[in-house]
Amino acid sequence: DVKVTQSSRYLVKRTGEKVFLECVQDMDHENMFWYRQDPGLGLRLIYFSYDVKMKEKGDIPEGYSVSREKKERFSLILESASTNQTSMYLCASRASGAMANEKLFFGSGTQLSVL
Amino acid sequence: GEDVEQSLFLSVREGDSSVINCTYTDSSSTYLYWYKQEPGAGLQLLTYIFSNMDMKQDQRLTVLLNKKDKHLSLRIADTQTGDSAIYFCAESIQGTGRRALTFGSGTRLQVQP
Repeated sequence: DVKVTQSSRYLVKRTGEKVFLECVQDMDHENMFWYRQDPGLGLRLIYFSYDVKMKEKGDIPEGYSVSREKKERFSLILESASTNQTSMYLCASRASGAMANEKLFFGSGTQLSVL
Repeated sequence: GEDVEQSLFLSVREGDSSVINCTYTDSSSTYLYWYKQEPGAGLQLLTYIFSNMDMKQDQRLTVLLNKKDKHLSLRIADTQTGDSAIYFCAESIQGTGRRALTFGSGTRLQVQP
């Protein structure tokens, strides 16, 4: 089974801190994604990466950046955390290929609180 | 544009059938998905349907797709307390290349014993 591991389950940070959220997948997937999940809003795409060192903005990239130095690892960076970035962050990965393989595999999430 | 809508909450009694509904706006959707999120966990794929199908059945799960009305539903037969979770529908759009799925807001299913 595909395993997507997020380094922290819960994280508490202060406003203005730089925050790193790490995600690792073990199935050699080309594509990796960061979503945030908020009640009533569902999942919103922040950034995604389709190859090492490649990235594209999703629907809500403001205040975030990403890093993909190795294929298995995709990091989400909050340059200066703000209270409105308090949320559940979900990482996902999938293989490239035919449309039938667009199934996403998710990590268990990081609940970030910014005080 | 891409927009996927779901009702936020559904409560049923154990043993009843549950029907979770979803509407989407993009007629070029290729695949539509149902994901399940249990408390404290990430999302897991339950089932998916290709846009040229009307129905797909997988054990207790039945997916119905009305492409004309852009309406997708998930029916869970004989609902159990273990089915309590948030259910997300999602669509993939033809021609968006490497884009990820677009998700609805999720429906919280509560199963009463």
